[in-house]
Amino acid sequence: EVQLVESGGGLVQPGRSLRLSCAASGFTFDDYAIHWVRQAPGKGLEWVSGISWNSGVINYADSVKGRFTISRDNAKNSLYLQMNSLRAEDTALYYCAKDISSYGYVGAFDIWGQGTMVTVSS
Amino acid sequence: QSALTQPPSVSGSPGQSVTISCTGTSSDVGSYNRVSWYQQPPGTAPKLMIYEVSNRPSGVPDRFSGSKSGNTASLTISGLQAEDEADYFCISYTSSSTPWVFGGGTKLTVL
Repeated sequence: EVQLVESGGGLVQPGRSLRLSCAASGFTFDDYAIHWVRQAPGKGLEWVSGISWNSGVINYADSVKGRFTISRDNAKNSLYLQMNSLRAEDTALYYCAKDISSYGYVGAFDIWGQGTMVTVSS
Repeated sequence: QSALTQPPSVSGSPGQSVTISCTGTSSDVGSYNRVSWYQQPPGTAPKLMIYEVSNRPSGVPDRFSGSKSGNTASLTISGLQAEDEADYFCISYTSSSTPWVFGGGTKLTVL
């Protein structure tokens, strides 16, 4: 079964850090770009960051640039999001999502995880 | 404020057709065919319905179709069914410093 499973969320104080993980199974992980998308409670979707299959292309939303770092370990079929200097407005359900195009970076997400909740509050 | 504009809500009766618009600019929808649509029922992860303006992933019913004209992309759902009731989001590639932007979402109600 093709699957993405996020972990690492939790309650964190403003200014602190958190590292999210996304474990992939059921497909050739190192053939595909993977993205992070978040959704604040009761709100819409926000694209956060993306990384190409070989880490050659990495992008961030302006709202997280300089604070978040995306990375992947193809040997471990895993994606990560290091989140520093967290703010209340980063509170959201964080999804990892697989790009539909092998060796591409087209921004169409055909497989999603169930999400991991990050709450930034004192 | 979302970069792409969607109507907050649309509705239709079973069997009818509805169209959800996604309006951007010449920096995003108008210049690129990397527009996708997602369906999100309450409490679930989004599901890809249309990609690259008009392509349907395998398993998505052909009642769902996508198109684009100028700076506006559209998702049309024909033969509405109760199970189509959900939030729908568009996303487009953009030449701005944030390469992908979502619309604000549209709540579809099946009457």
